[in-house]
Order: sequence, then C-alpha cells, then structure tokens
Amino acid sequence: QLQLQESGPELVKASETLALTCTVSGGSISSSSYYWGWIRQPPGKGLEWIVSVYYVGSTYYNSSLKSRVTLSVDTSKNQFSLKLTSVTAADTAVYYCSRQSNWAKPIDYWGQGILVTVSS
Amino acid sequence: FLLTQPHSVSESPGKTVTISCTGSSGSIASNYVQWYQRRPGGAPTAVIYENNRRPSGVPDRFSGSIDSSSNSASLTISGLRTEDEADYYCQSYDSDNQVFGGGTKLTVL
Repeated sequence: QLQLQESGPELVKASETLALTCTVSGGSISSSSYYWGWIRQPPGKGLEWIVSVYYVGSTYYNSSLKSRVTLSVDTSKNQFSLKLTSVTAADTAVYYCSRQSNWAKPIDYWGQGILVTVSS
Repeated sequence: FLLTQPHSVSESPGKTVTISCTGSSGSIASNYVQWYQRRPGGAPTAVIYENNRRPSGVPDRFSGSIDSSSNSASLTISGLRTEDEADYYCQSYDSDNQVFGGGTKLTVL
C-alpha cells in the first residue's frame, strides 16, 4: 500500500522559507508515470493546489504562487520537497503531499497533512 | 478559471442533497470533474471521478453529473446518513493547472 508522509518545521517565521518533504513508501517515486504534488488548506478555507511534478520532470505551478515555489525530487530517497519563500500569515495552512496517476484523474493518494503556522 | 460552490448545505437523514460546482469560464464539460469528501481531521478522498464514476467502495448513493447549459457539475447524495456530514470539494483542471472549488460544508441534521 502506497503511503505519503509530510515532514518539516511546523512553525516558520514571516519572510522566511517554508520547507517540507514528502516521503513515499510502498512504491517508487520514479517507477511510473505519476504526478506528485502539493496542496494546502488554510484554516477555515478551501483546498488550494500549489504545484505538481510529472515523474520525467515537467513541473506545473499555481500561477499565483509560482514566483515563490520550488519543487524538487530526490529519487534516491524516494522523496519530493516543497520550498515556499517569503512566507506571510496567509501561508499558514495544512499542507498535503499527493499523487495522481494521470493529470485528468483524481488524486488517489494523500499524505495525512502537516499544519504549518507562520508567525510574525 | 474558478469553480464556485455554495458555502454550505443542510438536509435531514434519509433525504437527498445536491451540491453544485459552477465554472467561471470555458465549458465545464471540456475536462473531467472530480469530487472529494473531507471529514474533520482527515485527508480528502474521492467520491466521484470523471464527472460521474464512483471509486471502488463508494456507495451508489453518491452520483455526479454535468449540466452544460448552466456550466456546472453536481454531486448528489441520496439516502443521507449522518456519516455523510463532511466538506465536499469539486476539482477540475486545464492543460497547466489543477483547480479546486471553495468547498461546501454538508450538515446532516
């Protein structure tokens, strides 16, 4: 059974960089044509897609966040990571990592989510 | 593009409820719409995919449809149960983006 697990600091200071890692177990991140991505949910608000990477390297960004987002993949560790720079209180959210088997298919695996709070 | 959902709906157990998801531009029928259920403290799970298909394990009380005339998708839940109380999100995509609706809180009372 595939499992995704987010990890990283749960408290980040405003203007600094949020950095999260998703560790994938039960399957190889590079074995097939999947999309790996990040989605967030601010408190009391809806889901917001942030970024996705196709296993061969194409990356797709939410245009409203693109200038601040970096997604990297470490196949040797079976991990992918999110960096979000210059954070503000508006970036406080539960961050989920995810997998899609196809761009047109639903997200079929989610991490449990990690609450990241941006403090002033 | 944006997907707009009602903020909340409520209905009694045993009844039927429909949640709408309206596209802001283009034809909502151009790409598939998925629907997710998110219970408090949990990650979302798909209850409808490709407009009207149910993942394995989702009861047939859940159904999805597309109405091109109103440029909207709908999730219908019949025979409501208390465990259906959750937040529901529609989601679609274009060539470069994945987009979620704002979510609808379903209260079963």
